[in-house]
Amino acid sequence: GAVVSQHPSWVICKSGTSVKIECRSLDFQATTMFWYRQFPKQSLMLMATSNEGSKATYEQGVEKDKFLINHASLTLSTLTVTSAHPEDSSFYICSARDLAGESYEQYFGPGTRLTVT
Amino acid sequence: DQQVKQNSPSLSVQEGRISILNCDYTNSMFDYFLWYKKYPAEGPTFLISISSIKDKNEDGRFTVFLNKSAKHLSLHIVPSQPGDSAVYFCAAKGGTYKYIFGTGTRLKVLA
Repeated sequence: GAVVSQHPSWVICKSGTSVKIECRSLDFQATTMFWYRQFPKQSLMLMATSNEGSKATYEQGVEKDKFLINHASLTLSTLTVTSAHPEDSSFYICSARDLAGESYEQYFGPGTRLTVT
Repeated sequence: DQQVKQNSPSLSVQEGRISILNCDYTNSMFDYFLWYKKYPAEGPTFLISISSIKDKNEDGRFTVFLNKSAKHLSLHIVPSQPGDSAVYFCAAKGGTYKYIFGTGTRLKVLA
């Protein structure tokens, strides 16, 4: 149980285009999902907290107009990288917390590798 | 300002011996800590956690120790196995369900 999927697993796009990444909790409901970004050999940096039915909460320094987050249902959150630039190339990982869970554990997706050319 | 630090970027251990991974934090308000294991190009997988009201939690080969006064936690893996080779991240809960991750330690278990 507690499986989180991400789609696509990797994507290459041209500079100036937009890319949407989906995060789904497959066997549980999640009112809260989290989006992280990881640069090579660095830590996972929290970008934003996605709340079902309300606006996402962005971390300091993260442009909300560039990284659009939508959490339309209890099992789906999407991250759209708008007007992508090469510096947006990174590994994006989502996580979700089980609504029925008693622990603070977050379940992570497998990640999406974005390369902007 | 890195609130959660893992000062050893890498660690090599012989198979069968103990692996000790360390993590330091600065925020005394953190009340829950977790360890995750991560392979390249994959998402982290949960290993073990500990509440700040405890000083030790054990699960099979994995034990986490918490020293609140020193703001330090460690993960012990014994005996270490080649399959344990991965990057290990500690994380601290810094707000409602929000994690702050350390910088990671790459563990290599030598056969």
